[in-house]
Amino acid sequence: DSGVTQTPKHLITATGQRVTLRCSPRSGDLSVYWYQQSLDQGLQFLIQYYNGEERAKGNILERFSAQQFPDLHSELNLSSLELGDSALYFCASSVGQRGDEQFFGPGTRLTVL
Amino acid sequence: GESVGLHLPTLSVQEGDNSIINCAYSNSASDYFIWYKQESGKGPQFIIDIRSNMDKRQGQRVTVLLNKTVKHLSLQIAATQPGDSAVYFCAVSKGGYGGSQGNLIFGKGTKLSVKP
Repeated sequence: DSGVTQTPKHLITATGQRVTLRCSPRSGDLSVYWYQQSLDQGLQFLIQYYNGEERAKGNILERFSAQQFPDLHSELNLSSLELGDSALYFCASSVGQRGDEQFFGPGTRLTVL
Repeated sequence: GESVGLHLPTLSVQEGDNSIINCAYSNSASDYFIWYKQESGKGPQFIIDIRSNMDKRQGQRVTVLLNKTVKHLSLQIAATQPGDSAVYFCAVSKGGYGGSQGNLIFGKGTKLSVKP
C-alpha cells in the first residue's frame, strides 16, 4: 500500500458526460501528479500540483482540468468525454516538487460507452 | 523532448534465474532514473532509483546500472521469483522546475513472466 488513495475505483459513463476523479496523497506529500495509462500510449503525464498550485503540465487535453485543495487532496475533472478517454487514471504524490520518487495510487478505471 | 524506450516488450525467465530489463533514453540532460513495477490491476510500485552521479545502485535482489555514455539503463533482478511477474517501467526525469522538466517520462514497459 503506497498511502495514496483514489476514488472511485471504477467509473462507467457515456460520451459527452463529465466525471471527477479524486486523489488523496500520502501524508506529508505536497505534490500530486495525474497520469493517464492506456494500452497504446503507456503512462502519460497529465499535470502536477504542488502545495495547491499548478507546477507542470504535460499532455493534458483542454477538456480536462485539475485542482489541488488546501487539504492537499486533488481532483481531476474530465468533461465532454469521448470513447478514447477510456483509460486508467493514476494519481501519484511526492514530498517535493521536482518529480522524484513518486508513489502511485491504485488508479481509477474509466470506461466511456 | 525526452523519449524513453524499452528494448524488449516481453521477457520470460525461469524461476531462480537472473533477469535483466533494459531501457534507453534520449536526453543527455536527464539526471534521475527510476524503475517501477506494475502488477495487474494495481498502480506502479517504486522499486529503485539512481541519479546521474552514480553508475550502479543496489537494493534487495535488484540492481540498477546506468551508462550515461550510451544513455542506457538496466534493471537486474537476482534469483527471479514468481512474485516478480509484472510489467516493469523505467522512468526518466530531466530535473529542473516548471514546464515538464521536473517530471517523469515513462517507457512503455517490459512484461516479465517467471516460469516455475
